Amino acid sequence: RKEVEQDPGPFNVPEGATVAFNCTYSNSASQSFFWYRQDCRKEPKLLMSVYSSGNEDGRFTAQLNRASQYISLLIRDSKLSDSATYLCVVNMRTGGFKTIFGAGTRLFVKA
Amino acid sequence: SQTIHQWPATLVQPVGSPLSLECTVEGTSNPNLYWYRQAAGRGLQLLFYSVGIGQISSEVPQNLSASRPQDRQFILSSKKLLLSDSGFYLCAWEFRDTQYFGPGTRLTVL
Repeated sequence: RKEVEQDPGPFNVPEGATVAFNCTYSNSASQSFFWYRQDCRKEPKLLMSVYSSGNEDGRFTAQLNRASQYISLLIRDSKLSDSATYLCVVNMRTGGFKTIFGAGTRLFVKA
Repeated sequence: SQTIHQWPATLVQPVGSPLSLECTVEGTSNPNLYWYRQAAGRGLQLLFYSVGIGQISSEVPQNLSASRPQDRQFILSSKKLLLSDSGFYLCAWEFRDTQYFGPGTRLTVL
């Protein structure tokens, strides 16, 4: 089992749609969680951290479920510019250092 | 504010040639630094990380090496490139458990 697993994708949605990505992690000692966005042929960029109580940034909402060991990202009112790959990232600090990146989920938003 | 630089942006090298990629960070001191590789259409593979000058940890065995000669400088090297070394090389620095990436170097080995 991979340490961080994401929806396989790709997701193809029309503009204005709501789309949700899920990510599961295997290590219960995981301590911090993030979503990154990566455009084609560019570096990953931090989209948002994921807090235990859930957090929102404009059209983006991130949630964490520690009991079930998954995090989610919800994008409302999708824009063409949201087309990208979304990476789930999990940090573990117990017994040493480890940051694990998911393989990413590709999103295509179409007019 | 902190910035991270990588160069060159693109590189085409023949098999068997040496490699040197450089990463520098500004606006912070003693950062944790990382080298990743991303093959075409694939996820990020951690290659090396460093918590300080001269301190390098390798995550995977390969023909690459890393060095950190100065606090804010991280170098990725190879004595002889392989075809399989082609990819997108990303340097990152860490602040409060969050990693921030440089613009990357796209390497093609022919």
